[in-house]
Amino acid sequence: KAGVTQTPRYLIKTRGQQVTLSCSPISGHRSVSWYQQTPGQGLQFLFEYFSETQRNKGNFPGRFSGRQFSNSRSEMNVSTLELGDSALYLCASSLYQGSNTEAFFGQGTRLTVV
Amino acid sequence: SQQGEEDPQALSIQEGENATMNCSYKTSINNLQWYRQNSGRGLVHLILIRSNEREKHSGRLRVTLDTSKKSSSLLITASRAADTASYFCATDASNYKLTFGKGTLLTVNP
Repeated sequence: KAGVTQTPRYLIKTRGQQVTLSCSPISGHRSVSWYQQTPGQGLQFLFEYFSETQRNKGNFPGRFSGRQFSNSRSEMNVSTLELGDSALYLCASSLYQGSNTEAFFGQGTRLTVV
Repeated sequence: SQQGEEDPQALSIQEGENATMNCSYKTSINNLQWYRQNSGRGLVHLILIRSNEREKHSGRLRVTLDTSKKSSSLLITASRAADTASYFCATDASNYKLTFGKGTLLTVNP
């Protein structure tokens, strides 16, 4: 069974631009979560989707948004990029988050804002 | 905010020795999960322990959970150089997210 796939793996963007990251969960998994990892703040929760509905959102500005499609694939978008948005963005999928099921992570997208 | 806090922040041992990492958290949880991350890459799921479990084993890994003290420990026995990585605990409080600690950097010297 294929794992969680995130694309692209690396991305360099300029301040003020916007970016879209993609995540394909493990087949059959319906919950997709996004996390931001930086050296200073560690792993921070961004949002979680289940059946195209956002069930929880972390403490991030409105520039960070996401969505989930009917096939469970998810995208996250960051608009008006800032230098501080440089981070590793990780996507996780699980059968049903919150029901004692493991969350499996992709390799991440390394975003660098210059 | 970080719910899980790992201790120590860094640990350096020799191959063959055991490594113990601890995690403390603040609120009631549904389960606690341990992950490994090799430098700058994705997180690898190691083990999940439910709130009603006290100990769990998987290969060379042993995890304990003490909900009264809100703490967990991860023991890696007979460590190998390939175990060198950062280890994170993450708590699931049934609110559709995992809350991570800042991790323990384990270095296993050959």
